[in-house]
Amino acid sequence: EVQLVESGGGLVQRGGSLRLSCEGSGFSFSIYSMNWVRQAPGKGLEWISYISFSSDNIHYADSVKGRFTISRDNAKNSLYLQMDSLRAEDTAVYYCARVASPYAGMFYWGQGTLVTVSS
Amino acid sequence: QSVLTQPPSVSGAPGQRVTISCTGNPSNIGAGHDVHWYQHLPGTVPKLLIYANNNRPSGVPDRFSGSKSGTSASLAITGLQAEDEARYYCQSYDNSLSGLVFGGGTTLTVL
Repeated sequence: EVQLVESGGGLVQRGGSLRLSCEGSGFSFSIYSMNWVRQAPGKGLEWISYISFSSDNIHYADSVKGRFTISRDNAKNSLYLQMDSLRAEDTAVYYCARVASPYAGMFYWGQGTLVTVSS
Repeated sequence: QSVLTQPPSVSGAPGQRVTISCTGNPSNIGAGHDVHWYQHLPGTVPKLLIYANNNRPSGVPDRFSGSKSGTSASLAITGLQAEDEARYYCQSYDNSLSGLVFGGGTTLTVL
């Protein structure tokens, strides 16, 4: 069974940093690309970052470019999101999701982890 | 302001058919990129409902169908059921942004 489990969310002050993790199991993590998607309270889904299976293709949404860094460790079946210079508007549930390519649909999602940035 | 435009809400009575539109531009849907649809209920994980314009993942009822033409796409739901009440999102890829884009979401109410 494919599983994605996020961790690392919590309460952080504005301007602070947080690192999210997403561990995959039940599939060959190293051959799949991954996305981070978030949903702020009362808002819609927002894609924030993509990383290819080999980490050679990385993209960010303009809203997080320069502040967030996506990475992965295929040996640990893990995806990461380093979030720096956090703002109140970064408060959201963050999901990791598996994809076959940047153009493909996201069949599998993690349960989400809540990040709250206090001002 | 989302790159892909969806109506904020639609509604229908049980058993009826509703459609949800998703309008893009030549940089995303019009560039030939696939459109995917997600169903999201409060407190749950988004669920892929339609992928690559008109394909249903295993387990999704055939009451749900998708189509795409030009710079737009649509999700149709027939035989509406109370359990279909949810927020629905379209998603595609945008060449200008070099990334994925979502619609703003459409809330479906079953009357």
